[in-house]
Amino acid sequence: QQQVKQSPQSLIVQKGGISIINCAYENTAFDYFPWYQQFPGKGPALLIAIRPDVSEKKEGRFTISFNKSAKQFSLHIMDSQPGDSATYFCAASGVGNAGNMLTFGGGTRLMVKP
Amino acid sequence: DAGITQSPRHKVTETGTPVTLRCHQTENHRYMYWYRQDPGHGLRLIHYSYGVKDTDKGEVSDGYSVSRSKTEDFLLTLESATSSQTSVYFCAIGGGSGGTDTQYFGPGTRLTVL
Repeated sequence: QQQVKQSPQSLIVQKGGISIINCAYENTAFDYFPWYQQFPGKGPALLIAIRPDVSEKKEGRFTISFNKSAKQFSLHIMDSQPGDSATYFCAASGVGNAGNMLTFGGGTRLMVKP
Repeated sequence: DAGITQSPRHKVTETGTPVTLRCHQTENHRYMYWYRQDPGHGLRLIHYSYGVKDTDKGEVSDGYSVSRSKTEDFLLTLESATSSQTSVYFCAIGGGSGGTDTQYFGPGTRLTVL
């Protein structure tokens, strides 16, 4: 079963626009929510992460918004650039997780058109 | 790739043959993980290790075994490869100075089982 659901599966945005990717989770024990960026032929790379004690975290053009009551979090990419074209994965891990295991969403393929 | 190497990077094998993939880290991280990546499924955890000789199963462990005899090496073995194990395999490490939740991924191994 997929405990983290990610949408949309693919996204096309014009250069300079805002890209928004959403994730929803079921397990209320999750307390760490990272986003990974993956370019073709490469491994995923940590982009930004949030814990539920804050509702928003911003790093440059990338922002995570977190809604604990709705069990949802999203990634916003401001001023999207062609170089942002990649696959993005949300993930979650939780308290009591002995191996700090991450549960991943299915991924979103983002294309930013020039 | 945070001091993580995977070998081989590409492998083609036949159904029924044993296959071993190697992950090597130079970061002295406590945790090591093996994931597989398939379209639409994101990354799914196969096995993980929380120390030398300490391993446990992940979400999709059937048909796979692992071993960790040294901190720096984590081996994934397919005892008898099947076509359903055709995938891209990623190793990850965690438990370093970035925080116990943060995982860093290797470059991946593309495995094709004919």
